[in-house]
Amino acid sequence: GNSVTQMEGPVTLSEEAFLTINCTYTATGYPSLFWYVQYPGEGLQLLLKATKADDKGSNKGFEATYRKETTSFHLEKGSVQVSDSAVYFCALIDGVSGGSNYKLTFGKGTLLTVNP
Amino acid sequence: KAGVTQTPRYLIKTRGQQVTLSCSPISGHRSVSWYQQTPGQGLQFLFEYFSETQRNKGNFPGRFSGRQFSNSRSEMNVSTLELGDSALYLCASSLAPGQGGTGELFFGEGSRLTVL
Repeated sequence: GNSVTQMEGPVTLSEEAFLTINCTYTATGYPSLFWYVQYPGEGLQLLLKATKADDKGSNKGFEATYRKETTSFHLEKGSVQVSDSAVYFCALIDGVSGGSNYKLTFGKGTLLTVNP
Repeated sequence: KAGVTQTPRYLIKTRGQQVTLSCSPISGHRSVSWYQQTPGQGLQFLFEYFSETQRNKGNFPGRFSGRQFSNSRSEMNVSTLELGDSALYLCASSLAPGQGGTGELFFGEGSRLTVL
């Protein structure tokens, strides 16, 4: 079956530090990959996505590249802000095309705290 | 455009009771999914509905059920509540592949259930 493994948290950084959150996956087909973010007391929001190998998703200064050879989708940001403090989830979805079902498989989540 | 709306936001029940949670998807979205979020298990897929049909179901006991109405609104029901059912229940809507969907899910803020 499908699975997503992301680095254990919590991660604590100072403002303007570089961020990497590792994510690797196992999938039977050709999944689409996502990073979702959850701010305190809220639901999940899509941060970025990539639908095929070598695609780079980017949003709000965050980037992740779909690496099929290493089955990875690591999240990076060059300079974090206090407002980036949240829980980040790596996820994959299989079988987007052809009317297949939408079932997201999530990693456990990584809590990021950014201090001023 | 209004987002995904879940009601109620918070509720407290006792063991043995049942609960019904409601979800109104984004207008035009016909796929609705439900996820359970707990500190120990993370985010787990419950089920997904499209055009009033359950297309996929996660590994949860039969006490967990759901349905979707002709206007795409969805409800989930948990009967004979147990302490372990305490969780944040998240609903997500999406465009189906035939509607141009790419697997991106839009989440509501969730219904936080506490079972005493």
